[in-house]
Amino acid sequence: KAGVTQTPRYLIKTRGQQVTLSCSPISGHRSVSWYQQTPGQGLQFLFEYFSETQRNKGNFPGRFSGRQFSNSRSEMNVSTLELGDSALYLCASSSGTGVESYTFGSGTRLTVV
Amino acid sequence: GESVGLHLPTLSVQEGDNSIINCAYSNSASDYFIWYKQESGKGPQFIIDIRSNMDKRQGQRVTVLLNKTVKHLSLQIAATQPGDSAVYFCAESGGGSYIPTFGRGTSLIVHP
Repeated sequence: KAGVTQTPRYLIKTRGQQVTLSCSPISGHRSVSWYQQTPGQGLQFLFEYFSETQRNKGNFPGRFSGRQFSNSRSEMNVSTLELGDSALYLCASSSGTGVESYTFGSGTRLTVV
Repeated sequence: GESVGLHLPTLSVQEGDNSIINCAYSNSASDYFIWYKQESGKGPQFIIDIRSNMDKRQGQRVTVLLNKTVKHLSLQIAATQPGDSAVYFCAESGGGSYIPTFGRGTSLIVHP
């Protein structure tokens, strides 16, 4: 079956702009989690969506938001971009019904200049 | 093979050696642990998992050991190959939260 698809793979944005990233989970999976990965901070949890509802949230400012559609596809948005937002943004798919491993996409590399 | 903790982010081994990557987890209530492998340009990929009712689990060339007393997890890779070169992350979850918390990662470099 198809894996987790993230688009786009690479993005370059200017400070102050906003950006939207997309994630299509594995078919049948209803949970999508987003992580920010940087060399200094490792993998940091942003939020999790399950059945179109944000179920868990990490410690990121309100500039980071997301949503999930009825087909389980998810988007995350970052507004008023800062240089420090440059990172690899990873999406992870799971059934969302308990403690389980995640299947990750290849990520979107965001560079803010 | 040489064992390192997460405070030493790089492990360098020769092809054919056994590798041991260590991880100290933080939450004594965690009951599910996973090792992921991340190759350059890719997302983390599941390697092996273990639940807290076990202390050892084996896969193909990999073994995970869990010591709940000292909150320590290790990943052993037998006969390490150049294709094993990657960053390895441990993750813990459970104890009321199924959102995994990831360790900082260890870079494994395998020399042919």
